[in-house]
Amino acid sequence: DIQMTQSPSSLSASVGDRVTITCRASQGISSYLAWYQQKPGKVPKLLVYAASTLQSGVPSRFSGSGSGTDFTLTITSLQPEDIATYYCQKYDSDPLTFGQGTKVEIK
Amino acid sequence: EVQLLESGGGLIQPGGSLRLSCAGSGFTFSNNAMSWVRQAPGKGLEWVSGISGRGGTTYYADSVKGRFTISRDNSKSTLYLQMNSLRAEDTAVYYCARASCVGTSTCYTGGSWFDPWGQGTLVTVSS
Repeated sequence: DIQMTQSPSSLSASVGDRVTITCRASQGISSYLAWYQQKPGKVPKLLVYAASTLQSGVPSRFSGSGSGTDFTLTITSLQPEDIATYYCQKYDSDPLTFGQGTKVEIK
Repeated sequence: EVQLLESGGGLIQPGGSLRLSCAGSGFTFSNNAMSWVRQAPGKGLEWVSGISGRGGTTYYADSVKGRFTISRDNSKSTLYLQMNSLRAEDTAVYYCARASCVGTSTCYTGGSWFDPWGQGTLVTVSS
C-alpha cells in the first residue's frame, strides 16, 4: 500500500507568515491528492483537490502544488482563523490513505 | 444543500456489535460513492471503508477487514456500517463522507475526494 507522509508534524508561525506543509507519497499518485483542514472540535473541510484546485469558497491565500510523489500546501499569509490541523489524502485508488496531519499554531 | 447526518454511535463492550447510519440529502444519493472515516481521540484521520454508488463494490482498510461491513440503501439515501467484534482500538468519531468529483455525474471511490463530511458519531468500546 502507498504511504502518505506529512512534514512537519507541527509548526508555529506568526500572523502574516508564509507557511508550507509537505506531503510525500511512497509511490506516484499523479495528481490524486486532496488537502483538508480540521479546526479544533470541528469536521474536516476540503481545501484543495486534484493537487492544486482550490475548493470553492476557500480563501486565495491557500494554494496546493505538486504531482507524482511530492506535494505542498501553502498559506501565503497566515491568519488567526487558519489555526487547525491539515491533512493530505491520496484518492487514486483503495486504500484512500491520509497523511498523519500537520498542526498549525500561532506563535 | 448537501447534508450528511450520522447516527448509531454509543458505548459498547469489547466483542460487541453496533450499526452506524448516515442519511444523505440534497443530492442524488446513488450517483456518489460513499466512505466512512474515523478519528480516534487526539489522533489523525483514518479511512475505514468505501462503497460504490450502486453498492456493488466495497473496500475496507486492513484494520477492519472481516469485522466491518459497509452497505447502502439508495431508496432511503442511507449509508450503513455494521461493526462486529469491536475492540478498544475502534473507539473513535466515525464520519461518513461523500465521494465528490467533477466532469461526470457519477463519482467513484477511486478518483474522488471527500466533500462534504457528516458531523460524526462517537463510538466508545469499553467494558
